[in-house]
Amino acid sequence: EDQVTQSPEALRLQEGESSSLNCSYTVSGLRGLFWYRQDPGKGPEFLFTLYSAGEEKEKERLKATLTKKESFLHITAPKPEDSATYLCAVQSILTGGGNKLTFGTGTQLKVEL
Amino acid sequence: DARVTQTPRHKVTEMGQEVTMRCQPILGHNTVFWYRQTMMQGLELLAYFRNRAPLDDSGMPKDRFSAEMPDATLATLKIQPSEPRDSAVYFCASGLTGTRNIQYFGAGTRLSVL
Repeated sequence: EDQVTQSPEALRLQEGESSSLNCSYTVSGLRGLFWYRQDPGKGPEFLFTLYSAGEEKEKERLKATLTKKESFLHITAPKPEDSATYLCAVQSILTGGGNKLTFGTGTQLKVEL
Repeated sequence: DARVTQTPRHKVTEMGQEVTMRCQPILGHNTVFWYRQTMMQGLELLAYFRNRAPLDDSGMPKDRFSAEMPDATLATLKIQPSEPRDSAVYFCASGLTGTRNIQYFGAGTRLSVL
């Protein structure tokens, strides 16, 4: 069974204080690892997909990296608008073309002035 | 701006009543997913469809939940009878196979069963 564990559960940062969120996973053949952002009262919003170990993706202050066992979401010089819950999910090659995702429980990030 | 549309956004009902949630996937997408989100369990997959055919509904309590796609523009999730433990936010997502496998989520239906 595919499993995703995210840490920490919650993180409080000062504006400009860089940090990283962790996503550890076990999956029977990784098709892709996904990062989503979720704001209160809204649905998850897609950020990145990573497909193989060593791959990196960047978007503004966010950078996602992938190893064979975990992924990191690095946040550089965060701003209050980066406050959200960040969700990690994996897709197994065994799901075929169904695109089924298994999600972690998320890291709730709060960035303060 | 293409998006997944869910209705209603909020639903308050009494235990034992039937609840129907609706989802309009993004035009052209051929996969549809229903998720339930709670504080304790996070996002749980209930069911998903490809080309309107159900592929997996093992996440759903079969005795009370049902999911259907009457046509390519409408997916429904029904709960009958509803129970207080069904209170949660229900999300629909759609995607397109053969692409980057990204799922696009709707804004959700917040269900409260009293």
